[in-house]
Amino acid sequence: QSVLTQPPSVSGAPGQRVTISCTGSSSNIGAGYDVHWYQQLPGTAPKLLIYGHSNRPSGVPDRFSGSKSGTSASLAITGLQAEDEADYYCQSYDNSLSSVVFGGGTKLTVL
Amino acid sequence: EVQLVESGGGLVKPGGSLRLSCAASGFSFSNAWMSWVRQAPGKGLEWVGRIKSKTDGGTTDYAAPVKGRFTISRDDSKNTLYLQMNSLKTEDTAVYYCTILNLRLRDAFDIWGQGTMVTVSS
Repeated sequence: QSVLTQPPSVSGAPGQRVTISCTGSSSNIGAGYDVHWYQQLPGTAPKLLIYGHSNRPSGVPDRFSGSKSGTSASLAITGLQAEDEADYYCQSYDNSLSSVVFGGGTKLTVL
Repeated sequence: EVQLVESGGGLVKPGGSLRLSCAASGFSFSNAWMSWVRQAPGKGLEWVGRIKSKTDGGTTDYAAPVKGRFTISRDDSKNTLYLQMNSLKTEDTAVYYCTILNLRLRDAFDIWGQGTMVTVSS
């Protein structure tokens, strides 16, 4: 069981908008620690997608956006494309565990 | 180009040891905070540990499952990060990734290596 909870899977048709939630607690997201999102394409290493809740590293399309509210964070992907099919992970820090923590991951399927 | 290349993975028996290496290039390795993250087959990402730059103290932190068994070290003269793994268990079977912890990006894991597979089995 991951400290950060993500839905196991989400899906959407090309061009649609999907969101992936990341639910934490008062010892991680709710404590004000940053939330980062990673994309892992099949058979490859993870890639940083969003850092600090809502910032995109250079080269990441603005179709990807992040937000945070209370003890949860969300990743939104608009204008869904076939190449977005991947696993997505949220990550933060937990002060009760004194550890970096990841969500369990969400598999995005583009229909 | 910033690059991280892991090596040293392989098959090891339970209770055995293995040392992973991560060769870094294209950035100032000595100033970087580095981490190891692992991924068991078909599972999610799990943080293993982190080492600060020597100028920031060079200290290490570890996840609870590996504390006391794994040791992260660095050789800045060789631009290389290491992960010494002792008393290995079957549950340590995973792909091990070397990553840069980017302080300018709010401590996000910025660049990742391609990973090296460690299999612990009798």
